[in-house]
Amino acid sequence: QVQLQESGPGLVKPSGTLSLTCAVSGGSISSSNWWSWVRQPPGKGLEWIGEIYHTGSTSYNPSLKSRVTISIDKSKNQFSLRLTSVTAADTAVYYCARLQHSWFDRWGPGTLVTVSS
Amino acid sequence: QSVLTQPPSVSGAPGQRITISCTGSSSNIGAGYDVYWYQQLPGTAPKLLIYGSNSDRPSGVPDRFSGSKSGTSASLAITGLQAEDEADYYCQSYDSFLSGSVFGTGTKVTVL
Repeated sequence: QVQLQESGPGLVKPSGTLSLTCAVSGGSISSSNWWSWVRQPPGKGLEWIGEIYHTGSTSYNPSLKSRVTISIDKSKNQFSLRLTSVTAADTAVYYCARLQHSWFDRWGPGTLVTVSS
Repeated sequence: QSVLTQPPSVSGAPGQRITISCTGSSSNIGAGYDVYWYQQLPGTAPKLLIYGSNSDRPSGVPDRFSGSKSGTSASLAITGLQAEDEADYYCQSYDSFLSGSVFGTGTKVTVL
């Protein structure tokens, strides 16, 4: 059973960079799946951030594309999110998830990132 | 910025049948892309409820949950409503304009 676990700082300063990692266990990150990041601001809905394939191919939400980088480390079986120039609007629970065909079938528990000075 | 619209809330008595709508456009549901559904209990990650082109259910999801699609809209039906069904529900599809996944605005289900 594939499991995902997010990790990273829970507090980031405005204009700083948010960096999170998702560790994948119970399966290979080199499988035929895309690996995604989704976020949810407090009390609000879900927003797709972007995704990566084990070849390094990526796809990003156009609204965040200029600030987002998703990378993969096959040797560590993990993938990462980097979001630059953050503001309070980026405060959210960030989830990593596995995209199976076109749906998200495995999710990490999520990690709250607060943007505040 | 959700491009799939859901009603903010739906309620029903135990045992009743409720439906949650998900309205999209010609670049997502109307383009023929499938719609998937998730249940999110407070403080937890979303859980897949309905997937695939035949609106299948993952192992462990009761057959009280079913999905359908027509035109630019989709629906999730819950029959025999139970207290444990109180949660937020989200639809999701693919959008060709965004070249990525899009989620619905979310619906809070209350069991009266």
